[in-house]
This record gives sequence, structure tokens and C-alpha cells, in this order.
Amino acid sequence: SAVISQKPSRDICQRGTSLTIQCQVDSQVTMMFWYRQQPGQSLTLIATANQGSEATYESGFVIDKFPISRPNLTFSTLTVSNMSPEDSSIYLCSGRDAHEQYFGPGTRLTVT
Amino acid sequence: SQQGEEDPQALSIQEGENATMNCSYKTSINNLQWYRQNSGRGLVHLILIRSNEREKHSGRLRVTLDTSKKSSSLLITASRAADTASYFCATSTSGTYKYIFGTGTRLKVLA
Repeated sequence: SAVISQKPSRDICQRGTSLTIQCQVDSQVTMMFWYRQQPGQSLTLIATANQGSEATYESGFVIDKFPISRPNLTFSTLTVSNMSPEDSSIYLCSGRDAHEQYFGPGTRLTVT
Repeated sequence: SQQGEEDPQALSIQEGENATMNCSYKTSINNLQWYRQNSGRGLVHLILIRSNEREKHSGRLRVTLDTSKKSSSLLITASRAADTASYFCATSTSGTYKYIFGTGTRLKVLA
């Protein structure tokens, strides 16, 4: 199985700034994803992080707001740009191999 | 967007009772997974069931899948206070590799 770590675990940011979240997997995974979980809600898929190419975004999410990189099979970053209080949420990184999908512990973001 | 809807949204039972949660989805799937999330914590993978399977067991957990009705159920037998958590189904649809989560069921087991 894969273990996924995220940095930072939490942050408090000011409106209008940007935050980059890092995701590291301890083994190679075929697919990596970013999800958002707003307070008391389920997980919503933001995008699929593609190695060496542009991420594939779900409806309602755009690259200018959530730029994503995945330079190799074990690492990805998600940037939350020009933040507003509505971006306050938990952001989760996920990796998938042939057996199952794994999740990181999440990054709790509060925008003031 | 949510692929699945779960019911009930919330469930409160006594310790020792069984808990059943249902997940309905909209499009054909490759497989379906159930996850648990304790308050403020990460997701824990419980069971994966493939579209050609009808039932799987893991300890006190039993998952069924009915592809004709596009639904799945998670049964937790002899529940414990430690089972208190939110439970989510997640489906991977045919032709894609991504999992879309259901709305979740909040289970509370009273000691």
C-alpha cells in the first residue's frame, strides 16, 4: 500500500494571497488526484494531476485558480490562488495504484 | 459533482446493533469503494467491490452491490462506539480512473 503525506497540514491565509500544497507518495502511483472537502461535506474532485502535462479539471474548477503540477510519479502540488474565504476547506491529495486509492491526511486551509 | 447519494444522511444506533447504509449512483461503474472518516481525520479505506461482484465481507463489514439497481449497501454488524464516523461510497465509472464520492452517512453509535 502507499502512504501519502501533505505539507502544510494546516494554514491560515489572508484574502488575495496564494498557497501551494505539496503531496508526496512513498511509492509510485499511476494516478494522482486533488479533492476538496468543505466543512461537513463530502469530497469533491478538483482535478486529475497528470505527470508532465496539464492537469485535467472537473467542472467548476479552472487552472488559473487551482494550478497543479506533477513532475514525477510520486509528487504533486496544488496551488490555491487569489484566495477568498470561500476557499476555506480541507484539500486532500490522493493516489491510485492497481489495487486501491489512497488519501493523504489533508491540508486544512482557513482564509481570513 | 456527486455521483452517488447515500442514505440515510445520519444514523444513530445503540452499541451492539447493526448499521446499514445505502449508496445509489447514476452511471455504470467499474468498481465501488467504501471509506470511513472520523471527525477531523483522514479517510480510511474499508472495502472495494468490483462491478462483477455481488457481495464482500471484511470482519464486521458486509458490502453488497446491485448493478441493476445502481446501488450498494454497507452493513456494520455488532456496532461499537468506535464505529462513530462518516461513511462514504466512491465510484469509479467505466472509461475513467477517477473516484467520485457520495454525499456520505454520519453514523453515531451510542454506548
